[in-house]
Amino acid sequence: AQTVTQSQPEMSVQEAETVTLSCTYDTSESDYYLFWYKQPPSRQMILVIRQEAYKQQNATENRFSVNFQKAAKSFSLKISDSQLGDAAMYFCAYGWGTYKYIFGTGTRLKVLA
Amino acid sequence: EAGVTQFPSHSVIEKGQTVTLRCDPISGHDNLYWYRRVMGKEIKFLLHFVKESKQDESGMPNNRFLAERTGGTYSTLKVQPAELEDSGVYFCASSPPGQGQYYSGANVLTFGAGSRLTVL
Repeated sequence: AQTVTQSQPEMSVQEAETVTLSCTYDTSESDYYLFWYKQPPSRQMILVIRQEAYKQQNATENRFSVNFQKAAKSFSLKISDSQLGDAAMYFCAYGWGTYKYIFGTGTRLKVLA
Repeated sequence: EAGVTQFPSHSVIEKGQTVTLRCDPISGHDNLYWYRRVMGKEIKFLLHFVKESKQDESGMPNNRFLAERTGGTYSTLKVQPAELEDSGVYFCASSPPGQGQYYSGANVLTFGAGSRLTVL
């Protein structure tokens, strides 16, 4: 069965610094997708970045980038130049040809001014 | 465009009472999903609607949970009677037509802000 593990319940980063959130997963599938979602307090959960497993190139979205290591089943999120608005709960998720995402337990990111 | 809207944002009820959560998906999104996050744990799939039909309800915990989507627009999730272990955040998500069970692309779900349920 597929699983997603986020081993960091909480992380802190100084404003303007870089932080990396870790995520590992387990699957026997070869084609799948990985996502990072962000949920600010009491607000909508939004998609930050996604990665197709068949693509070797790491996905990037502005200050957000991933380090996708398929063999190691690792999918970490790097946030560069952290801003106060980045403070949120971050969820790593795994999805494949259907709609049943498998989520991790989340990492709460605090950004310190 | 308006996002996925969920109501109420927070509900506090006594054990044994009934609560109904509502989700309004993005207009035109045939696919609607319910997920739940119990405190400190992962977000788990509950069920999936395609229009008004239940495509998959394998994640529903038991028969105290009833989901409906009359007319294929908004959906409700009723918990009756509520138990302590039902406390958590209930997320609704939607996706466009075609992004269903046999969609081979990257299914991108748009989530709502969630409805927090506290059962005392």
